[in-house]
Amino acid sequence: DAGITQSPRHKVTETGTPVTLRCHQTENHRYMYWYRQDPGHGLRLIHYSYGVKDTDKGEVSDGYSVSRSKTEDFLLTLESATSSQTSVYFCAISEYTGNTEAFFGQGTRLTVV
Amino acid sequence: AQTVTQSQPEMSVQEAETVTLSCTYDTSESDYYLFWYKQPPSRQMILVIRQEAYKQQNATENRFSVNFQKAAKSFSLKISDSQLGDAAMYFCALISNFGNEKLTFGTGTRLTIIP
Repeated sequence: DAGITQSPRHKVTETGTPVTLRCHQTENHRYMYWYRQDPGHGLRLIHYSYGVKDTDKGEVSDGYSVSRSKTEDFLLTLESATSSQTSVYFCAISEYTGNTEAFFGQGTRLTVV
Repeated sequence: AQTVTQSQPEMSVQEAETVTLSCTYDTSESDYYLFWYKQPPSRQMILVIRQEAYKQQNATENRFSVNFQKAAKSFSLKISDSQLGDAAMYFCALISNFGNEKLTFGTGTRLTIIP
C-alpha cells in the first residue's frame, strides 16, 4: 500500500471555527490533491499541488486554502467552517510515469455543527 | 477545462452476469490517462483499470475490461462474471499528461450485485 495518511480521521467542529486537515505521504510523489466527496457529486477537486509551494485551485476552492511547505505534507484549511463544508475529504498523491495511478488516503469525515 | 460524465447513478446486475458502466469525457489534450476506481463501503479508493489515450488496444484486468472510443470520448467499463465483492461505487477519472495534471472524477455509479 502507498504511504499516505490523513489526519484526523474524524472531526466535529463548530460553525465559524478554522479547521486544518493534514495529508502526509512517504512516497515522494510530486502531485498531491484534496477532494471532497458528497452524495450525488462524486469527488470534487478542491485544490492540488504540483510541487513544494506550487498549488492551484480546483472546482470547489471557495472557503478553502492549502499549503505545501515540504514534499510530504499537504495541508487543507477551512478558514471559517460552514455547515455546507460537512463532507468526507480525501487526499490523493500521484507521480506520472508509465504506471500512472493516484493513491488515496483513508478519508476524513468532517462534520460542521 | 476537462469534464467527466457518468450518466448512470445506479446499476444492478445478477451475480455471474455481465454489466457495463458508461463514462464520457471531454478534454482538449491529445495525451491523457483514463481510470476506473472502485470504492467499496470501506471508503477505500481502489484502482480497477487504467487506459493510456495513445494506446488503441483496450485495457483488460482479469474480469474487467474497457471499451475506449477516443473519437467519441467514451470510456466504458465491462465487468464479466459479476461477483458479490464487485458491489461498490465506481468512478471514472481523467488526467491529462501535460499541462496542469488535474485529476478529474465523474459523479460515480453505484453497482449492486443481485445474488
